Amino acid sequence: EAGVVQSPRYKIIEKKQPVAFWCNPISGHNTLYWYRQNLGQGPELLIRYENEEAVDDSQLPKDRFSAERLKGVDSTLKIQPAELGDSAVYLCASSLGDRVYYNEQFFGPGTRLTVL
Amino acid sequence: SQQGEEDPQALSIQEGENATMNCSYKTSINNLQWYRQNSGRGLVHLILIRSNEREKHSGRLRVTLDTSKKSSSLLITASRAADTASYFCATDALGYSTLTFGKGTMLLVSP
Repeated sequence: EAGVVQSPRYKIIEKKQPVAFWCNPISGHNTLYWYRQNLGQGPELLIRYENEEAVDDSQLPKDRFSAERLKGVDSTLKIQPAELGDSAVYLCASSLGDRVYYNEQFFGPGTRLTVL
Repeated sequence: SQQGEEDPQALSIQEGENATMNCSYKTSINNLQWYRQNSGRGLVHLILIRSNEREKHSGRLRVTLDTSKKSSSLLITASRAADTASYFCATDALGYSTLTFGKGTMLLVSP
């Protein structure tokens, strides 16, 4: 069974440029998450989707970050314009989304973003 | 913000020794999960313990949960060099359906 797929794995851009990350979750997983992980820290949630609905985007910096999951399957996270402080690893995860017994999350390999 | 705080921040042991790392959190939880992250396999789920459980085992892993102290511990027995990684606790707080990760413990197991 394929895991969570993310692309690209690495991205280097100049500040003020736009960048986009793509994620394809495990088949059948209704819940999709985007996290940002800074060096030496744990992942921090940016946005959570239940199918195509963003149900928790309270930590998403909406002035420059946007995300979509149009058909409830794959998802794109965009930053425009990027700032130096956006350098981090962006992780995508998915889970079955069982609200009674909270499921484990399966993580993709991440995209390491460097903003110069 | 990060609810969980792992302790110690870094731990260095020899192969065959046991490794214990702790996690403290602030608010009431539904469950607590431990994850491992290394460069080879990314972030991987290890074990989940629910708020009504006190201890759980999985292979060489043993997790305890003390909700009165808002703390958990992860014990890795007979460690191997392949256990070298960062270990994170993640809490699922009551009323929320998202995980909050701690800063992690970096474990180094030397041959």
